[in-house]
Amino acid sequence: GAVVSQHPSRVICKSGTSVKIECRSLDFQATTMFWYRQFPKQSLMLMATSNEGSKATYEQGVEKDKFLINHASLTLSTLTVTSAHPEDSSFYICSARTESYGYTFGSGTRLTVV
Amino acid sequence: GDSVTQMEGPVTLSEEAFLTINCTYTATGYPSLFWYVQYPGEGLQLLLKATKADDKGSNKGFEATYRKETTSFHLEKGSVQVSDSAVYFCALGDTNAGKSTFGDGTTLTVKP
Repeated sequence: GAVVSQHPSRVICKSGTSVKIECRSLDFQATTMFWYRQFPKQSLMLMATSNEGSKATYEQGVEKDKFLINHASLTLSTLTVTSAHPEDSSFYICSARTESYGYTFGSGTRLTVV
Repeated sequence: GDSVTQMEGPVTLSEEAFLTINCTYTATGYPSLFWYVQYPGEGLQLLLKATKADDKGSNKGFEATYRKETTSFHLEKGSVQVSDSAVYFCALGDTNAGKSTFGDGTTLTVKP
């Protein structure tokens, strides 16, 4: 139980374009999801907390206009990287917490901006 | 705020060697503690967890005990295999806020 499906697993986009990453909770309702970013050979850093039906809460230093988060339903949260640049290339992972299963993570999205 | 300090790597061991990866934490309240494993190019997989003091998490031969007095959650395995080569992350979970704080990760390479 408590599976989070994240898509796409890999994406390459041109500089200046936008990319959307989806996270779906398959067998539970996720009122809150968390978005993390991982630079090569570094740890995961929390970017934002996504709340269903309300605005996301961003961590200090994360540009909310660049990383748009939408959590329109209890099973779907999306992260859109707008006007992507090479420095946005990273590994993005979503997570949700459930009462029964604790923390569960998506498989991650490797974004490469060329 | 919450923080996790993890033993620096990389760690290189021979097959069947004993593994210890140290992890200490700073947190308010009573967090849950986790070890995650990340294989090359993949996402995180939960390896084991402990939700309260003196709990021992175990999975696939790995063990870690939640030590409140030393604020530690060291990962151990008695005999590592080549397939254990991966990056290991220690993390704590804020039970109330739901977010996780990660250590920097330790890269383990096991040689045959």
